[in-house]
Amino acid sequence: AQSVTQLDSHVSVSEGTPVLLRCNYSSSYSPSLFWYVQHPNKGLQLLLKYTSAATLVKGINGFEAEFKKSETSFHLTKPSAHMSDAAEYFCVVSYYNTDKLIFGTGTRLQVFP
Amino acid sequence: GAVVSQHPSRVICKSGTSVKIECRSLDFQATTMFWYRQFPKQSLMLMATSNEGSKATYEQGVEKDKFLINHASLTLSTLTVTSAHPEDSSFYICSVLLLAGGRNEQFFGPGTRLTVL
Repeated sequence: AQSVTQLDSHVSVSEGTPVLLRCNYSSSYSPSLFWYVQHPNKGLQLLLKYTSAATLVKGINGFEAEFKKSETSFHLTKPSAHMSDAAEYFCVVSYYNTDKLIFGTGTRLQVFP
Repeated sequence: GAVVSQHPSRVICKSGTSVKIECRSLDFQATTMFWYRQFPKQSLMLMATSNEGSKATYEQGVEKDKFLINHASLTLSTLTVTSAHPEDSSFYICSVLLLAGGRNEQFFGPGTRLTVL
């Protein structure tokens, strides 16, 4: 069955330093993977998605993620954190490549000045 | 993208009452919408798939008689929590599915926080 595991429930970084949010997936076939961000009082927003094209996926706001099949990972990175990046981030896999989504448990990113 | 609204944003009700939550697609017609619930500090769990003009498809463990879904038009789906109890207190989120030739994408509403006293 498909699932995603987000290894860190909380990540804290200083503004201007790199961000790494970790995600490992489990899937019996090549999955579609996503990262969503959830700001308070706002709807979830898609940051980026992987659908078996290029393994390095670039998203909005300077985020990117690399699909590594050998490590079953899809970690989210950003070279330099901004205060506005503070939010909850979800790694998501599609259910057997349908439109149904399976969410990870989320990682809360804090950015300190 | 698509703009999705939910109403109300917050609701508090007494145990035993029913609460209706609306999900609207403001700028395109959505054949398919999804309903999720999110408990505090937990992930989103898919409750059901709402299809315009037909019955909703519920995920395993979700009581269809408790969580009534009506997708009567291409821009509106409603979720009614019937005979609400404190354990139904949660954050309910809807999404609309934008079909884009194999690059389908879900767009999410801002959520509705339900508190049952």
